[in-house]
Amino acid sequence: GQSLEQPSEVTAVEGAIVQINCTYQTSGFYGLSWYQQHDGGAPTFLSYNALDGLEETGRFSSFLSRSDSYGYLLLQELQMKDSASYFCAVVMDSSYKLIFGSGTRLLVRP
Amino acid sequence: GAVVSQHPSRVICKSGTSVKIECRSLDFQATTMFWYRQFPKQSLMLMATSNEGSKATYEQGVEKDKFLINHASLTLSTLTVTSAHPEDSSFYICSATLGVAWDNEQFFGPGTRLTVL
Repeated sequence: GQSLEQPSEVTAVEGAIVQINCTYQTSGFYGLSWYQQHDGGAPTFLSYNALDGLEETGRFSSFLSRSDSYGYLLLQELQMKDSASYFCAVVMDSSYKLIFGSGTRLLVRP
Repeated sequence: GAVVSQHPSRVICKSGTSVKIECRSLDFQATTMFWYRQFPKQSLMLMATSNEGSKATYEQGVEKDKFLINHASLTLSTLTVTSAHPEDSSFYICSATLGVAWDNEQFFGPGTRLTVL
């Protein structure tokens, strides 16, 4: 079976930095994506890593280590609007099929 | 940017009825669309991969005769929940890809909340 593990909840204060980890075991792997979802809303794309290393996009960065089957999402300068659920997702193959992790609820406090 | 719409956004039906959900890519052609279901405070579970002009590929454990998927054009895929029961109540979300993006981004619709009484 497919398995992606993330912490269930993380709490941080406004302005801080938070890291959300993801470990995976899947039968296929093209890359690791991260999506944000606010309650009742649609998931929105944040980042994608196909190769090892760090990808930076504004306040968000994502890291991948294929040898460790591990990645993380780093959120800097946290804002209240960053309170949401964050999902890592493995791109399984050339069909762009995604398998989602269990999700991490991030609560940003003033 | 790429926009995906879903209709209806919310539906309430009686047990035993069928419900059709539409997913449209508004400003691009999507050769592949995906259908997910999501229970409250849980992850997105992939139900099926829908390719234009061919039969959908269902994930293990998803009943293809209960969840009928049709992808008749490059901009429209439909999911029909047949003989719906209360346990089918969930948030159903579709997504689509551009097919050539290096980052494999999927564009998600706003979701359809189905409540079966």
